[in-house]
Amino acid sequence: GEDVEQSLFLSVREGDSSVINCTYTDSSSTYLYWYKQEPGAGLQLLTYIFSNMDMKQDQRLTVLLNKKDKHLSLRIADTQTGDSAIYFCAENSGYNKLIFGAGTRLAVHP
Amino acid sequence: DGGITQSPKYLFRKEGQNVTLSCEQNLNHDAMYWYRQDPGQGLRLIYYSQIVNDFQKGDIAEGYSVSREKKESFPLTVTSAQKNPTAFYLCASRQGGAEAFFGQGTRLTVV
Repeated sequence: GEDVEQSLFLSVREGDSSVINCTYTDSSSTYLYWYKQEPGAGLQLLTYIFSNMDMKQDQRLTVLLNKKDKHLSLRIADTQTGDSAIYFCAENSGYNKLIFGAGTRLAVHP
Repeated sequence: DGGITQSPKYLFRKEGQNVTLSCEQNLNHDAMYWYRQDPGQGLRLIYYSQIVNDFQKGDIAEGYSVSREKKESFPLTVTSAQKNPTAFYLCASRQGGAEAFFGQGTRLTVV
């Protein structure tokens, strides 16, 4: 069945780059997404990538997609304390199911 | 303003009771979703609906029920058969493969 996996924690120093990794199983996924969740709130879309793309850049965010290995990554340049949150990877699976990973908690310290 | 609204924000349930969580959207989206979030387990799909009067079970549908009588509404009932209902519940909607919009969530606690 469909599955999305992420590491649970990442700690970085303010100003450094953060890289959050994700693997997925459904090779037919047409879209892959990165969402951000602040404490006690819903999820907000950060960025997404079509499955026929290798890379997408949006200001401080860079998404890399390796379709052969079913690996997705999110790089946040110049990480700030306001970037501290949980980041979810998601795939658009068959019949429009939206499957999420467990989320990576990013902690940014001075 | 267009958006998706969940209510209530906090809900308390006694053992053996059914409770219903509300989710309303005015985005004219066809698809709606219910997720459950537990610490360290991310979002798990309970039910989803692609169109009015149609819905499918997700990965953890046991102990839950839904209805989709109107396009804008997708209520979730947590029944007494759900043995561990304490969690944060999130509702989402979207159109096609585009961005999913999430509500602010309902935190359900069994007392």
